[in-house]
Amino acid sequence: DIVMTQSPDSLPVSLGGRATINCKSSQSVLDSSNNKNYLAWYQQRPGQPPKLLIYWASTRESGVPDRFSGSGSGTDFTLTISNLQAEDVAVYYCQQYYSSGTFGQGTKLEIK
Amino acid sequence: QITLKESGPTLVKPTQTLTLTCTFSGFSLSTSGVGVGWIRQPPGKALEWLALIYWDDDRRYSPSLKSRLTITKDTSKNQVVLTMTNMDPVDTATYYCTHGAPPSYWGQGTLVTVSS
Repeated sequence: DIVMTQSPDSLPVSLGGRATINCKSSQSVLDSSNNKNYLAWYQQRPGQPPKLLIYWASTRESGVPDRFSGSGSGTDFTLTISNLQAEDVAVYYCQQYYSSGTFGQGTKLEIK
Repeated sequence: QITLKESGPTLVKPTQTLTLTCTFSGFSLSTSGVGVGWIRQPPGKALEWLALIYWDDDRRYSPSLKSRLTITKDTSKNQVVLTMTNMDPVDTATYYCTHGAPPSYWGQGTLVTVSS
């Protein structure tokens, strides 16, 4: 299994501030044949199923605000949320879909 | 639009086999590139990927659960079925049916409790 490790586990951020969540995979999720990183980010609000935010490490899903951005390659990835809004309070997960589909343990984003 | 709905028992006993059905609409599992999968989430815990089946019957399983899982499809009924054998209380979770890899559409989930 590819193990996904997120940091931090919880993150207090002020409204209007910037949140940075890191995700590290135990092995590369970059496919050299197509130069794509098989890494996605999800947002899960309480009582709801997760929502896909970003795939291929940096491609925003349709309808996702451009305040959300993804970066990284190989084994190290970052989700950045700018201009934090109250509705961004949620748990965020990274997932590799290079080999099966393991998730990170989640990062709980809260308002400071 | 694409919708998925999970159905199955809400309570199973330890050692029993769980059978969950995903009934979907808005797409066909005979279309090239399409996949339907299962993901679970124990109460208050993280997501766990379980299995995925593609339009061409290619099946992928979580390595740690592979011996207990079977995923099948019925294209004519727009359904995907997941079976998990030898259920244990640690398998108590909300089970989600999903579309795509990575999953861009999710069902609302069904809570399965394992208890005697």
